[in-house]
Amino acid sequence: KAGVTQTPRYLIKTRGQQVTLSCSPISGHRSVSWYQQTPGQGLQFLFEYFSETQRNKGNFPGRFSGRQFSNSRSEMNVSTLELGDSALYLCASSLDWAEKLFFGSGTQLSVL
Amino acid sequence: TQLLEQSPQFLSIQEGENLTVYCNSSSVFSSLQWYRQEPGEGPVLLVTVVTGGEVKKLKRLTFQFGDARKDSSLHITAAQPGDTGLYLCAGDNAGNMLTFGGGTRLMVKP
Repeated sequence: KAGVTQTPRYLIKTRGQQVTLSCSPISGHRSVSWYQQTPGQGLQFLFEYFSETQRNKGNFPGRFSGRQFSNSRSEMNVSTLELGDSALYLCASSLDWAEKLFFGSGTQLSVL
Repeated sequence: TQLLEQSPQFLSIQEGENLTVYCNSSSVFSSLQWYRQEPGEGPVLLVTVVTGGEVKKLKRLTFQFGDARKDSSLHITAAQPGDTGLYLCAGDNAGNMLTFGGGTRLMVKP
């Protein structure tokens, strides 16, 4: 069974640009969550989607957005990139709410 | 805001030694999870503890949830180089919206 797939693996952008990250969950998983990991702040919850609806949202500015498609694949978008957005962005999928989370390997975003 | 404090932040030990990692909070969590993360990979779930006072064992790893469900510990017996990694605790009060501790970076030297 394939795991959670995140693309791209690495991304370099400049300040002011926008970026879209993609996440394909494990087959059959309907919940997709996104987390940001930085050396200073650790892992922080961004948002969670279930059946194309955002169920929970963390404490991040509106520049961070996401969506989920009917096949459960999810994308997150960050607009007007700032240097502080440099981080490892992790996607996790689960069968449903409060079920075991399976994380992808992440997308390492560097903002120059 | 719920916070989880992990200690120590860094731990470097010799193979065969024992160690304990602590995860403390002023908030109550419905469950607490422990993950291990290796460089270039996402966290992998090791265990979930739900009941206050619960103890779970996973080979040489022993996990404990405090009676008040605010703190937890991870004890590793006879550590091996393969145990090297970042250990993360995470509290769960709202499904998949986890609150993570800052992590303990463990290095086990042969």
